[in-house]
Order: sequence, then C-alpha cells, then structure tokens
Amino acid sequence: QKEVEQDPGPLSVPEGAIVSLNCTYSNSAFQYFMWYRQYSRKGPELLMYTYSSGNKEDGRFTAQVDKSSKYISLFIRDSQPSDSATYLCAMSSDTGRRALTFGSGTRLQVQP
Amino acid sequence: DGGITQSPKYLFRKEGQNVTLSCEQNLNHDAMYWYRQDPGQGLRLIYYSQIVNDFQKGDIAEGYSVSREKKESFPLTVTSAQKNPTAFYLCASSSKGRRMNTEAFFGQGTRLTVV
Repeated sequence: QKEVEQDPGPLSVPEGAIVSLNCTYSNSAFQYFMWYRQYSRKGPELLMYTYSSGNKEDGRFTAQVDKSSKYISLFIRDSQPSDSATYLCAMSSDTGRRALTFGSGTRLQVQP
Repeated sequence: DGGITQSPKYLFRKEGQNVTLSCEQNLNHDAMYWYRQDPGQGLRLIYYSQIVNDFQKGDIAEGYSVSREKKESFPLTVTSAQKNPTAFYLCASSSKGRRMNTEAFFGQGTRLTVV
C-alpha cells in the first residue's frame, strides 16, 4: 500500500463547477500538507500549504486537512479552463525523512 | 529572478552511457531534491541533500548518483546501471527554518529518453 493515495482521474467538469480533489494517507507523523499544480511537461508549482489540521483559503482555492481521518482535500470554486492540469498532493513530517511524499496526481479537465 | 534552473530540457542517452542532469538554484536554499516522474505516477524521491557535502538516498536511488559540493548545485548522474531511465526528472529546493523541508519549489524538469 502506498503511503499517499490519490485518485488519478481524469476528472472532467464544466466551467464554473466546484471541484473537489482528495488524498488519503497512512503515516500519522505527517504534519505538513501541500497541493501542487502541474501543467503538461512543466515542473509542479505550489498552490496551497497547510500545517496540521484545519482549513486554508486563497482566492478560489480552499485546502482542508482532517488528521483524525488522514484525509486532505482541495476545493476549487468557479473552475476555469485554465485550471486544467494535474493536481498533486504532498506531505511531510518533522521526523524521519525530511522530504515530501507525493500522491500520484489527479488529472483535471475543465470544459468551456 | 530567483529560481531553480534545470538543464538540459531534453536529453537523449544511448544504452550503456552515463549522463548528468544539472540543477542550479539561486534561492539560497539549504535543501535540494531529485524526483523522478513516470506517466500516471506521482513523484518518486531519488536523492536529497540537507546541507553541502551531505546527501541521502531516497526510495529509488539504485542506478543514480549525486554530489553536493556547492550550496547552489545538485547534479544527478544517471548511470548505465539504471535499467529504465526514460522519465521526467525534477529538481527541487527548500529553505531551512521552522518549516524545514516543506515548501519545496521545483525546476521545469529534464526529459530523459534512452535511444
């Protein structure tokens, strides 16, 4: 079993829809949670960063972390065709290996 | 502009050859990382380095080697021992601090193809 599980999609939604992307994880030591967006043939860019549990909002994006369920989510409101990309969740801890562990990524397509 | 520069963007390797991928950062970050990405898969950690002259193996280090002689540079060599090197290679860096090794920033990647 992978440490971080993420549905690969693809997920296709109409423009303006609310998108929900999710990851589950097994390592209870994870405390730092990130979402990256990756366009085709490009490096990932950091979208959202959350420490421990709770919500964080930035414009149309909201990140949620539920450590009790080992479940994280990214919501995109009023989705745009330019949001079409692969979304990767990533996480790390203060103990053990000091590097990010990634999910496999979810490919999102927003239809105009 | 501050950032991470990977070169070359595309690289072709013949069977049995060693090739070196370059990664340079001017963000003054202490930690640097190499990840490999295959189609439909997430990023898998090859090697990482917390400080100069020190580095650790990640999950898939076999067939790869690295060096960290300067803070700004973390080159990756793909050796002939790596049996399936065709992939997209990504270099990243992050700063040292309270949130050490969390917000990692990535370069634009090198696509390596075996011919």
